[in-house]
Amino acid sequence: KQEVTQIPAALSVPEGENLVLNCSFTDSAIYNLQWFRQDPGKGLTSLLLIQSSQREQTSGRLNASLDKSSGRSTLYIAASQPGDSATYLCAVRRGNYGGSQGNLIFGKGTKLSVKP
Amino acid sequence: EPEVTQTPSHQVTQMGQEVILRCVPISNHLYFYWYRQILGQKVEFLVSFYNNEISEKSEIFDDQFSVERPDGSNFTLKIRSTKLEDSAMYFCASSEADSWKQPQHFGDGTRLSIL
Repeated sequence: KQEVTQIPAALSVPEGENLVLNCSFTDSAIYNLQWFRQDPGKGLTSLLLIQSSQREQTSGRLNASLDKSSGRSTLYIAASQPGDSATYLCAVRRGNYGGSQGNLIFGKGTKLSVKP
Repeated sequence: EPEVTQTPSHQVTQMGQEVILRCVPISNHLYFYWYRQILGQKVEFLVSFYNNEISEKSEIFDDQFSVERPDGSNFTLKIRSTKLEDSAMYFCASSEADSWKQPQHFGDGTRLSIL
């Protein structure tokens, strides 16, 4: 059974610092991995999607990497800002079998606080 | 940018009552999903829907739950007889064709409170 773990559970950093959020998964048979941002009481905003054949994806100050064989992904945030404060969720899409579309399996998230 | 919209944002219901949560997926998307998040816990998959039928469901999605696409735009989740443990945030998501390659886009959720 696929399990997704995110470490740390919470992180507090001063503004301007570069930081790394970690995600690990137990079954390497994934199609892709998606990073989300969740603001309190809000929905999930998709940040980056990495296909299983890819090593990394970049969007602005965000860079996500994927090492499928070791079951790990990292989200790197450069020059953090107070507006980056949110919970960051990692989710893997498991393999497509029997015609299923492969639901997402989520980690519990890392709650990031960026202090001015 | 197109987005998934969910209504209502907050629903308060007495235990045992039926609730219907509504979603309008992104217009050119073909795959639809419901997830839920109990307070303080992980987001959990409930059901996926394609071509007017359920394509996959989790063990959470028992006989009390049903989904429907009553017209060309809405996608609904019905809970027939709510229990206290159904209290959660319910998220609708949608994705394009070749969905396993495409990201899932989520709505802002409906917070369901069962009294």
